[in-house]
Amino acid sequence: EAQVTQNPRYLITVTGKKLTVTCSQNMNHEYMSWYRQDPGLGLRQIYYSMNVEVTDKGDVPEGYKVSRKEKRNFPLILESPSPNQTSLYFCASSLLASSNTGELFFGEGSRLTVL
Amino acid sequence: AQRVTQPEKLLSVFKGAPVELKCNYSYSGSPELFWYVQYSRQRLQLLLRHISRESIKGFTADLNKGETSFHLKKPFAQEEDSAMYYCALSGRSGNTPLVFGKGTRLSVIA
Repeated sequence: EAQVTQNPRYLITVTGKKLTVTCSQNMNHEYMSWYRQDPGLGLRQIYYSMNVEVTDKGDVPEGYKVSRKEKRNFPLILESPSPNQTSLYFCASSLLASSNTGELFFGEGSRLTVL
Repeated sequence: AQRVTQPEKLLSVFKGAPVELKCNYSYSGSPELFWYVQYSRQRLQLLLRHISRESIKGFTADLNKGETSFHLKKPFAQEEDSAMYYCALSGRSGNTPLVFGKGTRLSVIA
């Protein structure tokens, strides 16, 4: 089944403890992206990647890192999480970055709580 | 810069009433507009895009370049339409990440 898979789906952690949220897609998509969803603020893009080894900052990249070593994987890394990073995170992918059809396929979301 | 504005955070309508979710955009080039929907406990999914000119689940949206709007409409709301709706914008020139509005929560009251 074609899908975007995120792990973990739920995580409670403490301030400063490094964590990684994995994202994998099996559709051979070029474009991948991370968003956070917060009440009243909607979806805000954190980082995106046009292809392997090509990443760029979105609207709210502070406190996050990403890597794109393989086409299918796009992990989100929080080196030193803080409470303001408590949020619902979504990974998404789409087929082609160069001609963006706009149809993003989303993962189920990862709810992160930083105490 | 691209910008998408959804002026209503919450819209409540009665079942059977018409629905209009507003979306205005700002973009200097040729835009591609989309509506995404998120039902309770489900992932975000594409509802419709303006280039397809299609009706999905009874919803339609027309791109009005003069008013820079892409409002989502449905003549008769159903309870199962209750969800979070996001308007999104991409530049047709490519290499333009999708930009989302802040979303409107639609609540259809029985």
